[in-house]
Order: sequence, then structure tokens, then C-alpha cells
Amino acid sequence: EVQLLESGGGLARPGGSLRLSCTASGFSFSSSLMSWIRQSPGRGLEWVSTLSGGGESTTYAESVKGRFTVSRDNFNSMFYLHVNNLRAEDTAVYHCAKAEYYYGSGSFYFDQWGQGTLVTVSS
Amino acid sequence: DIQMTQSPSSLSASVGDRVTITCRASQSVATHLNWYQQKPGKAPQVLIYKATILQSGVPSRFSGSGYGTDFTLTISSLQPEDFATYFCQQSFYSLQNTFGRGTKLEI
Repeated sequence: EVQLLESGGGLARPGGSLRLSCTASGFSFSSSLMSWIRQSPGRGLEWVSTLSGGGESTTYAESVKGRFTVSRDNFNSMFYLHVNNLRAEDTAVYHCAKAEYYYGSGSFYFDQWGQGTLVTVSS
Repeated sequence: DIQMTQSPSSLSASVGDRVTITCRASQSVATHLNWYQQKPGKAPQVLIYKATILQSGVPSRFSGSGYGTDFTLTISSLQPEDFATYFCQQSFYSLQNTFGRGTKLEI
């Protein structure tokens, strides 16, 4: 059974930092595309970033580029989101998700999600 | 930026009803359109990907159709466990992966 368990959320001050973690199990982690997606009442579901299985290819949403960094530890099946220079609008539940490519395409969909970890940015 | 517009934003229906939810993209996404279901306090789950392909394990009462800018998710006969919020998501523009704002399906 695929499991994705996020941790590391909490209350942070504007301008602050956090490291979110995702513990993965039940699938071939090192060959899997992994993503972070956040969800808030105000902004809905918002894709944040995607990282290839080997870690060689990364994409970010414009809203977080330069402030957030994704990384992974394939030996321990861990996926991370380093969030820096936090803003109030970054307040959200952050989900990690496994992504699958459409056959023969560079497009992908999110086939497994974790329940998320809440990040609240407030002074 | 590409925008995904779902309608209706909420919908009341009864068990056994046939329900259709629509999703419109502001630019063509070909068939790069996915549908998700989310129940309160739970993570989203994929139902349909690439506009029409049913994810493994998803009941056959769910179906998807469409191409370009207009897409539909149909539930042929509502079951009690189908009352949830449904989201569409485009994956044509992979640097955006935009989601719709959701359709809440209520009893």
C-alpha cells in the first residue's frame, strides 16, 4: 500500500523558514516523480513544485520560485520542501504527491497524495 | 496564466441521480485534463486522467469526456460515498498544473 506522510508544518513568522518532510513507502520511490501541492481556502489547490526521480530535474510555480527548494533522499525514501522567506499567502496545507506521466508524454497527474501538513504564517 | 473554471461550484443531488460537472480551460489543453475527488479531512484521489482514462480501482460509474477547452465528469448513478468535492486539473502547461476551484456535491 502506498503511503505518504507529511510532517514539519507549524506556525512561522513572515520571513521565516521551515522544512517540510514527506515519508514515502509502498512504491518504488527512487524512480518516482514527486510533487508538493498546497491547499488553502483562499487560493484552492495550487501546485508548488515537482522533482524527478533522480533529482536532476526540478520545476517550481512562479509564486514560490527563489524562495522554496525541493530535495529528496532516495536511500531513505524521503522528500523535502524547504520554505524560506515565508509570506502570509503561503499559509496552507502542504500535500506531497506521487506523480505519474501520461504514457508517451511529458505531462503527468498526481496518483497518490498525503493528507498534508499545515503551515501557518503569521506575526 | 491558464485558468480552469468549474461549474457549478456546488450541486445538490440524490442517490441514484446522474450528475455532470464541467471544467473549462482558458486555453486549449488538448486531453491533458485530470479529475480528483476529495472528502472532508482527506487527501484528494485521482478519478480520471488524460480526460477519459479511469484510474485503476475507481468505479465505472465515473467517466470523463472532452477535448481542448471543455471537459465533463459524469457520475452515472450517485452512491452515498460519492458526496465530496471534485476538482479538475490541467497538466498541458506543466509549469502551472492549474486546478479548478472545485465542485461540492451535496445530498
